[in-house]
Amino acid sequence: EAAVTQSPRNKVAVTGGKVTLSCNQTNNHNNMYWYRQDTGHGLRLIHYSYGAGSTEKGDIPDGYKASRPSQENFSLILELATPSQTSVYFCASGDYAGYSGNTLYFGEGSRLIVV
Amino acid sequence: SQLAEENSWALSVHEGESVTVNCSYKTSITALQWYRQKSGKGPAQLILIRSNEREKRNGRLRATLDTSSQSSSLSITATRCEDTAVYFCARDSNYQLIWGSGTKLIIKP
Repeated sequence: EAAVTQSPRNKVAVTGGKVTLSCNQTNNHNNMYWYRQDTGHGLRLIHYSYGAGSTEKGDIPDGYKASRPSQENFSLILELATPSQTSVYFCASGDYAGYSGNTLYFGEGSRLIVV
Repeated sequence: SQLAEENSWALSVHEGESVTVNCSYKTSITALQWYRQKSGKGPAQLILIRSNEREKRNGRLRATLDTSSQSSSLSITATRCEDTAVYFCARDSNYQLIWGSGTKLIIKP
């Protein structure tokens, strides 16, 4: 079964501090994604990647960086965390199959509180 | 970009009843997907229905797609308490998915 693992699952950070959220997938998928989920906004795409070494901006990239050092790992980096970045973050992996669709497999989420 | 949108923010039914969640979209699609997110978990795909398909089933779940009206529905029969979750529709857009805001479904005992 598809496996996407996120760490940490819960994090409290101070304003101005650096936060790194990590994601590991064992599906050998090319594509990986970082979303944030807030009440009333559904899932919003922050960054995504087509493969090792690539990162692309999603819909809300400001204040976030991403790193894809390998096929398996994709990190989301908050260089200067702000309270507005308090949210639940989800990592997902998938392989776009054209007409067959793009099924995403999600991790269990990382809850970040910035104080 | 345009969103796939569920038509109801929240629904509530009693266990054993049937329920339908609707979704509309505003552009041509190659496929539309339904996901379920239980409390404290990430979303999980329920059904993927391609643009040349009109109906797809997965156990008690049935998804329909009407490309002429640009709408889809997800029906759940014989609901159970464990069906309580947020249901999302999502459409393909290149290498991404465009997500609706979700419908919260509550199954009451």
